[in-house]
Amino acid sequence: SQELEQSPQSLIVQEGKNLTINCTSSKTLYGLYWYKQKYGEGLIFLMMLQKGGEEKSHEKITAKLDEKKQQSSLHITASQPSHAGIYLCGADSGNTGKLIFGQGTTLQVKP
Amino acid sequence: DVKVTQSSRYLVKRTGEKVFLECVQDMDHENMFWYRQDPGLGLRLIYFSYDVKMKEKGDIPEGYSVSREKKERFSLILESASTNQTSMYLCASSSYMDWTHYEQYFGPGTRLTVT
Repeated sequence: SQELEQSPQSLIVQEGKNLTINCTSSKTLYGLYWYKQKYGEGLIFLMMLQKGGEEKSHEKITAKLDEKKQQSSLHITASQPSHAGIYLCGADSGNTGKLIFGQGTTLQVKP
Repeated sequence: DVKVTQSSRYLVKRTGEKVFLECVQDMDHENMFWYRQDPGLGLRLIYFSYDVKMKEKGDIPEGYSVSREKKERFSLILESASTNQTSMYLCASSSYMDWTHYEQYFGPGTRLTVT
């Protein structure tokens, strides 16, 4: 079965610093989804990547999917306290509509 | 905007009680999902439904059942709650409209404590 591994598990950065979160799949990805979760709340959809080499940006967050479609990165530029939370990657391995999720990366941004 | 609501944010139940968690979505989505989220284990799929009265087991269905009598509502049932079912429960929905995109939209979650 497919597994998603995220790194790092947790991250503490100073406000204004850039950071990167990685998501690696054991199998080729049909679609890779990034979500953000504030502590104790539901997941908020950020963006979805589908094609090898694809890159999408929303405000200061950029996500990329590698050419082999087995690894994705989420990059935050000039981090702010509002970026703090848990970032999760999800993947649909077989075009089934079901997603599996990585274990999440907890981000703290120090003012 | 898609809205997924869950009946309770916090719930405390006793061991052996029957527990109902309700989820309602307002976007006419065909697919609905129930997950539990635990530290160190991430999100795990309990059950999902592709249509009214249809249900399929996810990765951890033991101890749970579901009901989908109407398209907008998906209920998770703990027949006899146990302490190992203490967890955060998340409901999600998605649409078949675009077969290449399966963004799931999540509710705020229900934190269930079984004592």
